[in-house]
Amino acid sequence: NAGVTQTPKFRILKIGQSMTLQCTQDMNHNYMYWYRQDPGMGLKLIYYSVGAGITDKGEVPNGYNVSRSTTEDFPLRLELAAPSQTSVYFCASSYNRGRGETQYFGPGTRLLVL
Amino acid sequence: GNSVTQMEGPVTLSEEAFLTINCTYTATGYPSLFWYVQYPGEGLQLLLKATKADDKGSNKGFEATYRKETTSFHLEKGSVQVSDSAVYFCALSDSGEYGNKLVFGAGTILRVKS
Repeated sequence: NAGVTQTPKFRILKIGQSMTLQCTQDMNHNYMYWYRQDPGMGLKLIYYSVGAGITDKGEVPNGYNVSRSTTEDFPLRLELAAPSQTSVYFCASSYNRGRGETQYFGPGTRLLVL
Repeated sequence: GNSVTQMEGPVTLSEEAFLTINCTYTATGYPSLFWYVQYPGEGLQLLLKATKADDKGSNKGFEATYRKETTSFHLEKGSVQVSDSAVYFCALSDSGEYGNKLVFGAGTILRVKS
């Protein structure tokens, strides 16, 4: 199993550009999550999903959109990039939402908006 | 709301030294508690967890005990190695309707010198 994979690893965007961060998991997990990690800060939840067609906002959803058309994929869309979106983005997945359920993380995408 | 506070780093230790990284939390309910580790250039991976009071999570020589009375989940290891150099995140889970939402502390950088 590859686990959780993310592409690209690194990207530079100009202000106002758009892009999609890709996330795929091959563990047949129902739940998927997007986090951002700013320097010196813990991860903050952007969006999450329980399965195809069902998503919900996390703590910091503004400026982002998600969709979940398959169990495996959970792309994150930035429509109008802003410098405040410079961050490292992590995708994660879990099989269930039971007490103490482990989330499995991808390697991250580093995004720089100039 | 829920929050996690962990000691600031970086923490620099010599090989075979004793490690403690403090973590305290604030939660409205009865959360599960986690320690995740991030090695350089990689995503986060679960180190250990505990789901109820007085539970002790352990893995790779690391331990942490869920202390409800002091709302703490301190990470300890008796003898650190250079390979333990990483960023350590304390987290709690807040079960939402669509999945377990993880709330992270800011992370503590650990550097172990030989």
